[in-house]
Amino acid sequence: GAVVSQHPSRVICKSGTSVKIECRSLDFQATTMFWYRQFPKQSLMLMATSNEGSKATYEQGVEKDKFLINHASLTLSTLTVTSAHPEDSSFYICSASSTGYDGYTFGSGTRLTVV
Amino acid sequence: DAKTTQPPSMDCAEGRAANLPCNHSTISGNEYVYWYRQIHSQGPQYIIHGLKNNETNEMASLIITEDRKSSTLILPHATLRDTAVYYCIVNSLMIKAAGNKLTFGGGTRVLVKP
Repeated sequence: GAVVSQHPSRVICKSGTSVKIECRSLDFQATTMFWYRQFPKQSLMLMATSNEGSKATYEQGVEKDKFLINHASLTLSTLTVTSAHPEDSSFYICSASSTGYDGYTFGSGTRLTVV
Repeated sequence: DAKTTQPPSMDCAEGRAANLPCNHSTISGNEYVYWYRQIHSQGPQYIIHGLKNNETNEMASLIITEDRKSSTLILPHATLRDTAVYYCIVNSLMIKAAGNKLTFGGGTRVLVKP
């Protein structure tokens, strides 16, 4: 089955630094990748949609200059949280879909803690 | 807009069937019903999806009413490892086109008890 690998699984960083999260589709080509954020005891909130080779589409209220998304290849998308603040602490999850695959596969998530 | 309504929580006994309802009264003709679950601190896991016929796989069964306005996910023999939040999502048939996104509602928090 389709597998999506997300790395790192957890990261702690200092306020003001940047953190990069990687999302890789291991056995299929992901034409589209999605990034979600989840706060404790809440549902997943879609942050942005990225298509390979083009700029990401951000949901309303999500700052594109703060959450940089790159989808340079069909198997890799990255989310960079720039100038992180404690309120950015959250669980970040990526998902991938493909025109040849009837479903969405999710990564295992990244727990970001900003101190 | 999640377009689905689920009870916020339910308990079920280990070894018994768990029936999880979902209302999607505004579903349109080209929309599938998807079920995912999320075990604590993990990414969502695909369970099953269907359009109008009932579906069954190794994890669960999906029963969709004839008018497609509601569905039920059935876990035939719940185990403690089935404790999770279960999400019912409707999404367009055009899933195979790039960019069609999944929107999550609140889900049902299922607790399987010994």
